[in-house]
Amino acid sequence: EAGVAQSPRYKIIEKRQSVAFWCNPISGHATLYWYQQILGQGPKLLIQFQNNGVVDDSQLPKDRFSAERLKGVDSTLKIQPAKLEDSAVYLCASSPHRQWSSGANVLTFGAGSRLTVL
Amino acid sequence: DQQVKQNSPSLSVQEGRISILNCDYTNSMFDYFLWYKKYPAEGPTFLISISSIKDKNEDGRFTVFLNKSAKHLSLHIVPSQPGDSAVYFCAASARAGGTSYGKLTFGQGTILTVHP
Repeated sequence: EAGVAQSPRYKIIEKRQSVAFWCNPISGHATLYWYQQILGQGPKLLIQFQNNGVVDDSQLPKDRFSAERLKGVDSTLKIQPAKLEDSAVYLCASSPHRQWSSGANVLTFGAGSRLTVL
Repeated sequence: DQQVKQNSPSLSVQEGRISILNCDYTNSMFDYFLWYKKYPAEGPTFLISISSIKDKNEDGRFTVFLNKSAKHLSLHIVPSQPGDSAVYFCAASARAGGTSYGKLTFGQGTILTVHP
């Protein structure tokens, strides 16, 4: 099966500019996640969708970050305006699970979109 | 507040020997633990997991041990191979009413290098 697709792979912008990242999860996967990985740290969950609804966005900086999954398939993460500290790899992951189970913690990640803010 | 910690940024071992990667956690609500492996320019991939009701889980060359009283888990790779060279992330999850599936808290990662 095809994996989780993300684009662009790399993006360089100046602070205060905007950027958008796109993710297409594995076909049929109900749950989609966006994680932020800052250099030297582990990934941190930003937002979790189940179909087109938000399950958890408690760690999303809502003053500048937004995300949507309008048709319950692909998703877009936007940053506007970007700050220097937003430089990171943005990882999209998906899972077929709709409720808690041990298997629901096994996520399939995309290769990530690396953002550099100058 | 670092709830999952991997205190060794890197580990270097010889091919054929044992690799032991360690992870500590502070949140007693965590009840499921996983190890993910990450190669450069790729996303993390699932390696092995363990539930809090167990103290050991084995899958081929990989074994994860959980010590709940010490809030510590470790990943053993025996024998280590050069292809195992990667960044290894420890992650934890709390069931928390059934809605927090997939909400993983990751450690900082340990870079494992296996020398031929």
